[in-house]
Amino acid sequence: DAGVTQSPTHLIKTRGQQVTLRCSPKSGHDTVSWYQQALGQGPQFIFQYYEEEERQRGNFPDRFSGHQFPNYSSELNVNALLLGDSALYLCASSSGGGAVTEAFFGQGTRLTVV
Amino acid sequence: GQSLEQPSEVTAVEGAIVQINCTYQTSGFYGLSWYQQHDGGAPTFLSYNALDGLEETGRFSSFLSRSDSYGYLLLQELQMKDSASYFCAVRDQQAGTALIFGKGTTLSVSS
Repeated sequence: DAGVTQSPTHLIKTRGQQVTLRCSPKSGHDTVSWYQQALGQGPQFIFQYYEEEERQRGNFPDRFSGHQFPNYSSELNVNALLLGDSALYLCASSSGGGAVTEAFFGQGTRLTVV
Repeated sequence: GQSLEQPSEVTAVEGAIVQINCTYQTSGFYGLSWYQQHDGGAPTFLSYNALDGLEETGRFSSFLSRSDSYGYLLLQELQMKDSASYFCAVRDQQAGTALIFGKGTTLSVSS
């Protein structure tokens, strides 16, 4: 049973560029949440997708956008990259679209903006 | 808004017991979770407390006092592999479906 998978594992982009990160949820899960984790900090909630819609959004600018596909996989897009966007981006999957007591996280994508 | 406080670092030796505290301020508290994250790895779920009291899972236990807005994670019989970062996270009414994480506690276990 595959857990949460994310791709790519590492990425280097130049300031001003755009990036797309991908996530496949754990088998049986239909809800995907994205988190940003800066070095030495806890994960910060970006948004949650359920039924192909953004259900809730954290305190992140509109440069951060997402999508969920019919197979429940999800993409996170970040436009006009800033140096401060360098972080580990984590995807967490769950089911039912609501709040979860146990989130299953992927290994993350390490994004470096230079 | 929400805030969580936990110590930044804790050190201990193999076989010892360590307690990691977490105090929180939230609106409409639902529950407190604990996650473990090894360097470069995914956060993994350890425990969830919605009601006051102690929850035990093997070597790890978690405690919650809703009236004190306080919880802790207790790790017993420490092993080298327990060296990791530990995060408390709250669910509350304001956060909705999101988990709100603390900044994490780095635990270093030495032999």
